[in-house]
Amino acid sequence: GAVVSQHPSRVICKSGTSVKIECRSLDFQATTMFWYRQFPKQSLMLMATSNEGSKATYEQGVEKDKFLINHASLTLSTLTVTSAHPEDSSFYICSATNKRAAFFGQGTRLTVV
Amino acid sequence: RKEVEQDPGPFNVPEGATVAFNCTYSNSASQSFFWYRQDCRKEPKLLMSVYSSGNEDGRFTAQLNRASQYISLLIRDSKLSDSATYLCVVNPNTGNQFYFGTGTSLTVIP
Repeated sequence: GAVVSQHPSRVICKSGTSVKIECRSLDFQATTMFWYRQFPKQSLMLMATSNEGSKATYEQGVEKDKFLINHASLTLSTLTVTSAHPEDSSFYICSATNKRAAFFGQGTRLTVV
Repeated sequence: RKEVEQDPGPFNVPEGATVAFNCTYSNSASQSFFWYRQDCRKEPKLLMSVYSSGNEDGRFTAQLNRASQYISLLIRDSKLSDSATYLCVVNPNTGNQFYFGTGTSLTVIP
């Protein structure tokens, strides 16, 4: 069964609206979760590291005010894409690790129209 | 220098062929190594861990070369269903972060 659950799997939203994506670790407590973005035929790109109880760490070039991350519990991290634009359309994937391996959510395909 | 580097390919091989991918890592203190498989429009899934002694799972063999800091994945008797992107993943043990290669694209042709 799934170790990491991500929701929703697919969302279409209007330009200018905000979208929240949830990532839950089901079998273990994850003090750290990771958010990735993947454009078609490109590799995974780390956007930010989500730390439970503290601020997320963003990769260079990723706007923290646009991609809000909240990691309020050991099993849940959320990514909110604020004021979404068509160029934000992408496949967003979360990951949690338990030191044995990294496990991924099912991904969220975001389309901004 | 990137933490993990892979040849992106693409590798196009006929069904039944043997194909090998290599991946290099920069942190010599890295302890954990993995191969993941990602199908189109899906999330990456763990294919196999890579142990110091090497390990085999059916048609798949993974090897670790610490001296040269690379890991390899060998696929024998390729099947059409092996077509995917294969990601090399390294945990340097400096935290929970795992570092991913860009992935190697494999297409098995009938």
